[in-house]
Amino acid sequence: AQSVTQPDIHITVSEGASLELRCNYSYGATPYLFWYVQSPGQGLQLLLKYFSGDTLVQGIKGFEAEFKRSQSSFNLRKPSVHWSDAAEYFCAVGAGYKLSFGAGTTVTVRA
Amino acid sequence: NAGVTQTPKFQVLKTGQSMTLQCAQDMNHEYMSWYRQDPGMGLRLIHYSVGAGITDQGEVPNGYNVSRSTTEDFPLRLLSAAPSQTSVYFCASSYNRGAETQYFGPGTRLLVL
Repeated sequence: AQSVTQPDIHITVSEGASLELRCNYSYGATPYLFWYVQSPGQGLQLLLKYFSGDTLVQGIKGFEAEFKRSQSSFNLRKPSVHWSDAAEYFCAVGAGYKLSFGAGTTVTVRA
Repeated sequence: NAGVTQTPKFQVLKTGQSMTLQCAQDMNHEYMSWYRQDPGMGLRLIHYSVGAGITDQGEVPNGYNVSRSTTEDFPLRLLSAAPSQTSVYFCASSYNRGAETQYFGPGTRLLVL
């Protein structure tokens, strides 16, 4: 069975500071991993995805994520956070049409 | 392209009523899915379809029916609404399986009284 754990329910970060969101997954084979962002009242937008190759993946809006098979992790990072990054972030694993999502991490950005 | 569209945006139902949540995509995607989003639980898969005429159950299918008569449309039916079905519902589509991106609709917020 596939599953995702996002250990942090809520993170507060200052504008301009770095951000790291944790994601641990369980999957029976080589995983397809995704990070989505959801702004308030909106649908989900894909930030980045990993399915093979380079374990450091670059995404949109300056985000990157690193796949670590030994730790079953796929953590999301951004070097310098902007106020517009305040949102809820979801890590997901599985085939593109049949995803298992984590519970999400809400990011608050303070001035 | 409009992408993935969902109607209605918001709906209030009484317990026992039925309704259909509409989902359509204009990207010629074979794969479509329905998820529900509840606080603290992320998104959970209700039903999915891998092509016209082919549907299957996801993680939380009870109380919901789906059908897929065309590539474009994937409606979700609640036959007898219950308060436990109060949630935000998202429809999504993708070109195929694997690492293909799933595109999400804007969601339908459903309140069952």
